[in-house]
Amino acid sequence: GESVGLHLPTLSVQEGDNSIINCAYSNSASDYFIWYKQESGKGPQFIIDIRSNMDKRQGQRVTVLLNKTVKHLSLQIAATQPGDSAVYFCAEMKSGGYQKVTFGIGTKLQVIP
Amino acid sequence: EAQVTQNPRYLITVTGKKLTVTCSQNMNHEYMSWYRQDPGLGLRQIYYSMNVEVTDKGDVPEGYKVSRKEKRNFPLILESPSPNQTSLYFCASRWGGMNTEAFFGQGTRLTVV
Repeated sequence: GESVGLHLPTLSVQEGDNSIINCAYSNSASDYFIWYKQESGKGPQFIIDIRSNMDKRQGQRVTVLLNKTVKHLSLQIAATQPGDSAVYFCAEMKSGGYQKVTFGIGTKLQVIP
Repeated sequence: EAQVTQNPRYLITVTGKKLTVTCSQNMNHEYMSWYRQDPGLGLRQIYYSMNVEVTDKGDVPEGYKVSRKEKRNFPLILESPSPNQTSLYFCASRWGGMNTEAFFGQGTRLTVV
């Protein structure tokens, strides 16, 4: 619900502009990095992932960039639309055993019509 | 339609009254997890399961129990709920191995008074 968005970093973007959502991760041994989108009142939804041996991956209107040197991950959304308004989570997954997925706290994206 | 179904969506209960939140997935996924989501803290894993009869603690397991008697179901049990368990709960499932895409339920908003 709406309370999920409280206390989160917020990015406000004009409709039609590009959005860049940033994430710092902690575990340099993670094998995959993942982005999820959570709309108000819904569960998180998978957007795109990137393997640790890559530095860029593109999807439909989204691009994920990985900079392992500074442990930084970003999600770029092209031509942002009102439907992109949501909380975006980065997550990391390490192989071995259960392959646990650890989530960040999220960034709220507000698209201004 | 591939989905993860949680019930109930909303629940208000009193301290100490045992409750169960059900979770069912129809994708034959091996891995299932429970998360709680609190403002400013992101998604924290409570318990996870790698297959039938295989469960283990996540990051915040205290006060919770789970079971995995069938592949499709993964109920979350609060034997004696307390107010600090007031939260938004999500169940998720995914294929095992290095598959990163998790499917989340719609969430259960629990209030313990």
